[in-house]
Amino acid sequence: GNSVTQMEGPVTLSEEAFLTINCTYTATGYPSLFWYVQYPGEGLQLLLKATKADDKGSNKGFEATYRKETTSFHLEKGSVQVSDSAVYFCALRSNYGQNFVFGPGTRLSVLP
Amino acid sequence: NAGVTQTPKFQVLKTGQSMTLQCAQDMNHEYMSWYRQDPGMGLRLIHYSVGAGITDQGEVPNGYNVSRSTTEDFPLRLLSAAPSQTSVYFCASRPGTGENSPLHFGNGTRLTVT
Repeated sequence: GNSVTQMEGPVTLSEEAFLTINCTYTATGYPSLFWYVQYPGEGLQLLLKATKADDKGSNKGFEATYRKETTSFHLEKGSVQVSDSAVYFCALRSNYGQNFVFGPGTRLSVLP
Repeated sequence: NAGVTQTPKFQVLKTGQSMTLQCAQDMNHEYMSWYRQDPGMGLRLIHYSVGAGITDQGEVPNGYNVSRSTTEDFPLRLLSAAPSQTSVYFCASRPGTGENSPLHFGNGTRLTVT
């Protein structure tokens, strides 16, 4: 079946540090890949997405590249801010189905 | 736009009680779904619907019922609450089943069953 694996954390960084959150997936067909962010007390919000191999999604300084050869979609940001503290979820949607599969989430804490 | 609205935000139930978690969206989305979020397990799909009058089971459907009488509303019913159903519940919608559009989430309902 389809699945998503990501580092669970928590990840603690100092402000302006470089961020990488690893995400790998298993899926049939050619899935679309997503990163969602959840701030405290809120629902999940779409951060970025990529729908085919070698696509790069980007938003708010975050980037992730769809790597089919390594089945990965790692999230990166060059300089994190305290306001980036949140839980980040990697997710996929297979082109053979309508449902999304989510990873367990990675909690990020950024210290001033 | 209100987007996806969930009520209530918090609820405490005793074991064996029943209740309905409400979800409404004003974006005319065909697809709606319910997830539960538990620590270390991410989001797990409970039930979903691809349009009014159509529902199907997700990964963890036991103990929950749904119906979809209108495009806008997708309530989740707990028939006889159990402590294992203590969780945060999220409703999510997207425009259609054939697109790569993302899910839009509500702000969640935190349920405690004692």
